[in-house]
Amino acid sequence: GDSVTQMEGPVTLSEEAFLTINCTYTATGYPSLFWYVQYPGEGLQLLLKATKADDKGSNKGFEATYRKETTSFHLEKGSVQVSDSAVYFCALSRASGGSYIPTFGRGTSLIVHP
Amino acid sequence: DGGITQSPKYLFRKEGQNVTLSCEQNLNHDAMYWYRQDPGQGLRLIYYSQIVNDFQKGDIAEGYSVSREKKESFPLTVTSAQKNPTAFYLCASSIARQGGGEQYFGPGTRLTVT
Repeated sequence: GDSVTQMEGPVTLSEEAFLTINCTYTATGYPSLFWYVQYPGEGLQLLLKATKADDKGSNKGFEATYRKETTSFHLEKGSVQVSDSAVYFCALSRASGGSYIPTFGRGTSLIVHP
Repeated sequence: DGGITQSPKYLFRKEGQNVTLSCEQNLNHDAMYWYRQDPGQGLRLIYYSQIVNDFQKGDIAEGYSVSREKKESFPLTVTSAQKNPTAFYLCASSIARQGGGEQYFGPGTRLTVT
């Protein structure tokens, strides 16, 4: 079955540091890939997405590139802020019989210190 | 504003009682989903529905039931058969067959059963 593996956290950084959160996936066909962010006590919000190979998703300084050859979708940001502290989820969604079947990674907690 | 509402935000029940969690959306989305979130476990799919009066089991459907009588509403019942019901429950919706399966989440309901 489909699966998403992301690096375990917590990831602890100082403000303005470079961020990378690794994500790899296993899926049949051609899934869409997503990064979602969850702040404490809230639901998930879409951060960025890519729907085909070599697409780059970007939003609020975060970027991720859909790499089919390495089945990866790593999240990066050049300079993190304290307000970026949250849990980040990598996910894929695959079309099957007219439906979209979602699969989420376990989440990576990011803590940014001033 | 369009979005997904879940109520209540916190819910407390005694063991052996059934409890129903509400999920309503005004995004005109066809597909709706229920997830369970436990610490360190990521999101696990309970049930999903692609169209009114139809729904499918996800990975952990045992002890749960759903209905989809209206496009806007997808309530989840946690039955007394669910062995470990205390968790954070998230409802989501998406446009079926379009957009790559991007999901929109509600704020969640934290259920505590004692």
